[in-house]
Parts: sequence; C-alpha cells; structure tokens
Amino acid sequence: EDQVTQSPEALRLQEGESSSLNCSYTVSGLRGLFWYRQDPGKGPEFLFTLYSAGEEKEKERLKATLTKKESFLHITAPKPEDSATYLCAVHGDAGNMLTFGGGTRLMVKP
Amino acid sequence: DGGITQSPKYLFRKEGQNVTLSCEQNLNHDAMYWYRQDPGQGLRLIYYSQIVNDFQKGDIAEGYSVSREKKESFPLTVTSAQKNPTAFYLCASSILAGGPYNEQFFGPGTRLTVL
Repeated sequence: EDQVTQSPEALRLQEGESSSLNCSYTVSGLRGLFWYRQDPGKGPEFLFTLYSAGEEKEKERLKATLTKKESFLHITAPKPEDSATYLCAVHGDAGNMLTFGGGTRLMVKP
Repeated sequence: DGGITQSPKYLFRKEGQNVTLSCEQNLNHDAMYWYRQDPGQGLRLIYYSQIVNDFQKGDIAEGYSVSREKKESFPLTVTSAQKNPTAFYLCASSILAGGPYNEQFFGPGTRLTVL
C-alpha cells in the first residue's frame, strides 16, 4: 500500500524567510510524484510532477526536488500570497490512483 | 476556457435525503474522480471512472453512488446511508488513469452540510 507523509503539518514564516516542506513516501514503484497548492475553500491547483530521483522543477519562488524516499518543496523568499496548503501525492505501480498526504499549511506573515 | 465545473458550490441536506453533486469537464479527459476532504485532512478517494459506463470504488465508497453516461459528466450521489456526509467534495479529471500523464486537475469543490 502506498503511503505519503507530509511535514510539518503547519509552518509559519516571515516574508522573505526561505524554508522547505517535506513529503516522505513509500511506493512499490514510483510512476510520478505530484505537488498541489490549495487555497481555503478551493480545489487544489496543480504545481509539479516529478518522475525520477534527482529531478528538479521550478516555478517562480517554488522548487521541487525528488529522491528515492522523499520530495522537498523549497520556497525561496516567500510572500504572503504564497500562504496556502501544499499537498503531495504519489502514483505507484500497485494501482491507477494517486495517494495524497495530509498537507502542509503554510502561513507567510508580512 | 477548458476546465472542470462543480455545482452547487454550497449544498445543504436534511438527514435522510439523497443529494446529487454535479461535475462536468471540457478537457476531453478520459478519467474522472471524486474525493472527499475533511477539515485538516488530505483527500480520500470515493469513486473513479476510466471510461464511459464504467467506474470503480475508491477507499470510502460506502454511502455514495456515481454514474458515467457521458465522457464529460460524472455526478456523485450522497445517499442517506452515508453516516457523516458533511465535508468538502472535490471532482478531478486526468487524461488517462494510470497512464504516463496522470496529473489530476481539480474543480472548485462543493461544500455539503447536513442539517
């Protein structure tokens, strides 16, 4: 059974204070790891897909990296508008579905 | 604009009633999904469909039913058998289920409250 654990559950940062969110996973064979951003009361917004260890992807202040056991979402010089819940999900060989982690709620104060 | 629409945005149900949540997509995606999200928790899969007229149960299908008569539509019925239906319901779609491009794209969600 695929499992995804995200940490920390909540993270408070000052504007400009860089940090990282962690997504640890266990899968039978990784087909893809996905990051989403979710604002309160809205549906998740797709950010990145990572397919293999060593892969990195960037979008504005966000950078996602992948190893064989975990993924990090690095946030550089965050702004208050980066405040949201960030969700991680994996797709493994065992089935056709995604398994989601519980999310990290990020709060960036000005 | 291509995307996924869900309606209504808010829904109130009396105990013992069945209600149906609508989900429509114009992305020409084959696969569609329904998730439930409770406060402070991740997404849990209710049902999914890979092709028209076929669907499979997810992790928490009890008390729910779906249909897939058209590629674009995947309505979810929350029945009176669902013991704790108050939650945020999300519909998603992807090009294929299990294929190499399995990014799922989500609708805006429906918040269901049982009175």
